[in-house]
Amino acid sequence: LAKTTQPISMDSYEGQEVNITCSHNNIATNDYITWYQQFPSQGPRFIIQGYKTKVTNEVASLFIPADRKSSTLSLPRVSLSDTAVYYCLVGDSRSNDYKLSFGAGTTVTVRA
Amino acid sequence: DSGVTQTPKHLITATGQRVTLRCSPRSGDLSVYWYQQSLDQGLQFLIQYYNGEERAKGNILERFSAQQFPDLHSELNLSSLELGDSALYFCASSAQDRSNEKLFFGSGTQLSVL
Repeated sequence: LAKTTQPISMDSYEGQEVNITCSHNNIATNDYITWYQQFPSQGPRFIIQGYKTKVTNEVASLFIPADRKSSTLSLPRVSLSDTAVYYCLVGDSRSNDYKLSFGAGTTVTVRA
Repeated sequence: DSGVTQTPKHLITATGQRVTLRCSPRSGDLSVYWYQQSLDQGLQFLIQYYNGEERAKGNILERFSAQQFPDLHSELNLSSLELGDSALYFCASSAQDRSNEKLFFGSGTQLSVL
């Protein structure tokens, strides 16, 4: 099972960029990195997924270095509505376990 | 809207009772997953079904069971309920059963055991 480690919490202010780094030292060759966002009392929502280098969509960017042992989710110019828990998951192509645990995630609090 | 429908949204019951939570996956999705989220807890995986068959099991209690029907909807049955079973129960679905698939979550069922 590909284990991930991410900070428990992060604080930011409106308009700033938030970067959340996730460590996944034992990522396998065929594994992708996926991030989800969860607001209180709602189900998690897929944000972004990547394999290497950089992926960008309308919500966030995902930076993955060449060794792929970590990844950074970047949220540009956050607003109060970006306050949520962010989960990093690494797909384990050697098993089906990666979907089984979301971990504690990173609680991002955006202040005015 | 994720396309995953969970009913009911809220459920209040007493200890010792049995309840059934229902989930309709996104159209065309074959996999259904059940998660439990208690206060201050992360999402705990319970069980996964793929095309009607049990595919993976987490730390699901023996008092809990689930099934996926031919029309692909799924039900999670919780029996002999205890106060500690109070939680938000989420259902998620994905198209297939590959390790890197996106999961689409429903809005959850809030269970309160009194």
